[in-house]
Amino acid sequence: RKEVEQDPGPFNVPEGATVAFNCTYSNSASQSFFWYRQDCRKEPKLLMSVYSSGNEDGRFTAQLNRASQYISLLIRDSKLSDSATYLCVVNGGGGADGLTFGKGTHLIIQP
Amino acid sequence: GAVVSQHPSWVICKSGTSVKIECRSLDFQATTMFWYRQFPKQSLMLMATSNEGSKATYEQGVEKDKFLINHASLTLSTLTVTSAHPEDSSFYICSAEGGMDNEQFFGPGTRLTVL
Repeated sequence: RKEVEQDPGPFNVPEGATVAFNCTYSNSASQSFFWYRQDCRKEPKLLMSVYSSGNEDGRFTAQLNRASQYISLLIRDSKLSDSATYLCVVNGGGGADGLTFGKGTHLIIQP
Repeated sequence: GAVVSQHPSWVICKSGTSVKIECRSLDFQATTMFWYRQFPKQSLMLMATSNEGSKATYEQGVEKDKFLINHASLTLSTLTVTSAHPEDSSFYICSAEGGMDNEQFFGPGTRLTVL
């Protein structure tokens, strides 16, 4: 059974702080990995894809450890606008395949 | 980026009625679209994979006769919730697969409330 596990939080952090999330996935055949952001009562929006070599996009850094089936997201210099739910998402691969979402980690940036 | 629309954005209906939700890829063609459902404080759950010109593939536990999917063109998939009941109240989101990396682009979602 496909599963993606995340700490639901909430994480309450002060503005400007660095915050890290992680998730684990159970399907070792998963091929693609993503972090999505979802605001309250909105659709999820792609934040970034995650690669084994690690990748960075501005204040956001994502890492993938295939051996441990572990994905992380680091947010530096957090902004109030970063408050949202962050969804860890994997794709089983093998062509057209729906995404498997974690329940999300709720982040609250406090002024 | 690619745009996916959904219609309606919200609907309130009486128990026993059927509701049709449309998902359109506006500026690209999508042979594959996906339908998800999200209950409050839960993760998005894949309901079915919609394939243009062929039958949809349903996830385990999703009744194909209750959730009818039609993907008649490369830009439109519809989900019909037949004989809706209060337990079907949820946030229904579609996505369309496109781009060089087969990224999934999500629609804005449809919030269904069944009274």
